[in-house]
Amino acid sequence: AQKVTQAQTEISVVEKEDVTLDCVYETRDTTYYLFWYKQPPSGELVFLIRRNSFDEQNEISGRYSWNFQKSTSSFNFTITASQVVDSAVYFCALSDPNFGNEKLTFGTGTRLTIIP
Amino acid sequence: EPEVTQTPSHQVTQMGQEVILRCVPISNHLYFYWYRQILGQKVEFLVSFYNNEISEKSEIFDDQFSVERPDGSNFTLKIRSTKLEDSAMYFCASRSGTGLGTEAFFGQGTRLTVV
Repeated sequence: AQKVTQAQTEISVVEKEDVTLDCVYETRDTTYYLFWYKQPPSGELVFLIRRNSFDEQNEISGRYSWNFQKSTSSFNFTITASQVVDSAVYFCALSDPNFGNEKLTFGTGTRLTIIP
Repeated sequence: EPEVTQTPSHQVTQMGQEVILRCVPISNHLYFYWYRQILGQKVEFLVSFYNNEISEKSEIFDDQFSVERPDGSNFTLKIRSTKLEDSAMYFCASRSGTGLGTEAFFGQGTRLTVV
């Protein structure tokens, strides 16, 4: 069975600080995909990034960066120079491509509050 | 940019009533999903739909739930006899399926309140 753990329930930082959101996953599969989604106060789920299990390169997109470490089964998300608009709940998710439908298993989410 | 559209945004219904939640997935996508998020909790998979049939369903998706793609564009979730514990945000999602690991795009959700 697949499992995603986001141990940080809530994080608050002052604007312009850097913040890292942790994600640890469990799966028996050798091929899998990891995702981060953002849920702003308006409620929708916004796709941020996808990473496959064979690609351990870190990725940077503007102020966002992701660190994938297969050895520790972690896929952490860092926001640099945080802004108030980053306030949201962030979900890490795991999918198993072996069964075609690739349903997502979500973590419990981390509520990030950026204090102006 | 194509998007998944859900209607209504908020639905209030009395316990025991039937409710239909509607979704228009992205037009060239092949896989469709319903997920549920009880207030303040994680997003949970309900059902996946491909090639006009259910491909997988979770334990939550019991006989009270059904899905349909009636006309090639809409994708609906029906709850036959709503219970108080069905109150949640329901998300529709679609995925192109053109390759492994393609991301799912979510609608803005329908908040269902059962009273």
